[in-house]
Amino acid sequence: SQQGEEDPQALSIQEGENATMNCSYKTSINNLQWYRQNSGRGLVHLILIRSNEREKHSGRLRVTLDTSKKSSSLLITASRAADTASYFCATVSNSGYALNFGKGTSLLVTP
Amino acid sequence: GAGVSQSPSNKVTEKGKDVELRCDPISGHTALYWYRQRLGQGLEFLIYFQGNSAPDKSGLPSDRFSAERTGESVSTLTIQRTQQEDSAVYLCASNLGGLYNEQFFGPGTRLTVL
Repeated sequence: SQQGEEDPQALSIQEGENATMNCSYKTSINNLQWYRQNSGRGLVHLILIRSNEREKHSGRLRVTLDTSKKSSSLLITASRAADTASYFCATVSNSGYALNFGKGTSLLVTP
Repeated sequence: GAGVSQSPSNKVTEKGKDVELRCDPISGHTALYWYRQRLGQGLEFLIYFQGNSAPDKSGLPSDRFSAERTGESVSTLTIQRTQQEDSAVYLCASNLGGLYNEQFFGPGTRLTVL
């Protein structure tokens, strides 16, 4: 069963704007990861945030985690056309190892 | 190569036929995962291999699905008597195991069952 739920399902913005995607999950987690998928094929790991962390940065990416609300957000600043992709959050439970994915947010960045 | 590779990249088969999908993990990665992604959906966990331990098969949807891995090398996912509902992209990932490690994904095999 899918653990996470991303919203919005689809997001369309112009280059230079910021994109914010949210993820909610149901059970306690060890860490939460964000992945990007281009053209429905392989996924690329973007960032991992552990359950005892609240915020993490990597380049133009900023991830927050609120374990009390069981939610996370991914912010992409100064978006580029190349950021067009689907973005998934995935959680690893405290008792597991496999990733539980949401259905993803489809991001379109237009020049 | 440096990444996870999968073959074939695309497979079209007729309902009722068996198919075999292959995954070559990154060298040295002890853990290997298979996922299935239906159109417009997230990934569903299928099976997990960690070293020489017994695999976790809890995600396999039916007994038509099986997977093997020899040591820490290649893995094959076999689907017997394919059904149209098996049509999906099958993704393989590997890592060093453990809870804190990102997973490295292959490009996937797109399976179409006619």
